[in-house]
Amino acid sequence: RKEVEQDPGPFNVPEGATVAFNCTYSNSASQSFFWYRQDCRKEPKLLMSVYSSGNEDGRFTAQLNRASQYISLLIRDSKLSDSATYLCVVTGYNTDKLIFGTGTRLQVFP
Amino acid sequence: NAGVTQTPKFQVLKTGQSMTLQCAQDMNHNSMYWYRQDPGMGLRLIYYSASEGTTDKGEVPNGYNVSRLNKREFSLRLESAAPSQTSVYFCASSLAQGFNQPQHFGDGTRLSIL
Repeated sequence: RKEVEQDPGPFNVPEGATVAFNCTYSNSASQSFFWYRQDCRKEPKLLMSVYSSGNEDGRFTAQLNRASQYISLLIRDSKLSDSATYLCVVTGYNTDKLIFGTGTRLQVFP
Repeated sequence: NAGVTQTPKFQVLKTGQSMTLQCAQDMNHNSMYWYRQDPGMGLRLIYYSASEGTTDKGEVPNGYNVSRLNKREFSLRLESAAPSQTSVYFCASSLAQGFNQPQHFGDGTRLSIL
């Protein structure tokens, strides 16, 4: 089983739609969780950290479910510019080494 | 406002050649990392340096060496390039080793080994 698993997609959604991605992780001792965004042929960029209580940043909401070992990302009112690959990232216990999922591709169409 | 700078951006090598990928950060970060990204595999850690003067192996270190030249610079060396090392290489840095320390990435080096 992969340490971090994501549905590769693509998720094709119209502008204005709400879309959600889930990501599961295998190490129950994982301490830190992030969502990164990666545009085609570009570097990953931090989108948001994921906190235990859940957190929101504008149209983006991240949730953590430790019992079921998954994190989620909700994007409301999708924009064309949201088209990218979204990487789920998890750290292990007592380490800052990041474990990357293979990403979920989102394509927003007009 | 450069952040993490990688050079070169593109390189083509022949099998057996050597080369060094350069990385520099201007954010006064303590920790630096080298990853490779291959289709369907996600990013995999090659080597990292938690602080100046230290380096450690990551998930896929074979065939690579690194040097933490100073706090700003962290280089990755391929001594004898192999086709399996064809990949996109990313350097990253973070403020410190520890929890909730996101990493900032350079824009990558696309390396092809013929």
